[in-house]
Amino acid sequence: DAKTTQPPSMDCAEGRAANLPCNHSTISGNEYVYWYRQIHSQGPQYIIHGLKNNETNEMASLIITEDRKSSTLILPHATLRDTAVYYCIVRFSFNQAGTALIFGKGTTLSVSS
Amino acid sequence: GAVVSQHPSWVICKSGTSVKIECRSLDFQATTMFWYRQFPKQSLMLMATSNEGSKATYEQGVEKDKFLINHASLTLSTLTVTSAHPEDSSFYICSAPDRTTGADTQYFGPGTRLTVL
Repeated sequence: DAKTTQPPSMDCAEGRAANLPCNHSTISGNEYVYWYRQIHSQGPQYIIHGLKNNETNEMASLIITEDRKSSTLILPHATLRDTAVYYCIVRFSFNQAGTALIFGKGTTLSVSS
Repeated sequence: GAVVSQHPSWVICKSGTSVKIECRSLDFQATTMFWYRQFPKQSLMLMATSNEGSKATYEQGVEKDKFLINHASLTLSTLTVTSAHPEDSSFYICSAPDRTTGADTQYFGPGTRLTVL
């Protein structure tokens, strides 16, 4: 799986959009970008994933650059409950279900009022 | 999304005893599950891959005789920490891929906090 690079920490004011970047310059054509987050002392929570196109769900939006070498996770209106460590993970498509997710250090997002 | 449960959520045991942690996929079947552990202020580290009906696959440096994994059914995997010692104190998390939606999205349990005295 391709390596990802994320800033170690970010701050965001409550109610504002949180934009979390991720670089994955060695991503291959059939690798997906996945985002998970881990709130303190809980298991990781799936947020969103994408291949080429931008994606949106009830939690967040994922913007992938045209060359797919980077992406941004957007939390449109951050709340205090969004304070967590956010992990960007690149991995092959779903027919590789037998392989685990490998976690890097992620970005610690701190949302303050 | 799919739900994965773990039991117990926390456990305290004496050094030398064994502890069993259960991981269940509640609304889907999983032929494969994964076990991670996480030390304070560190990221998740993959320990092993649990395969239903066959032996688990362990990551380098993880003692298979110490961390026994049994995947007895399509919805249950267990991790037994044998002869636990204080250095085994950690946060243990399992995950399972749900392929019913057509995508390989992995769902994680809430974790089990193990403290060995």
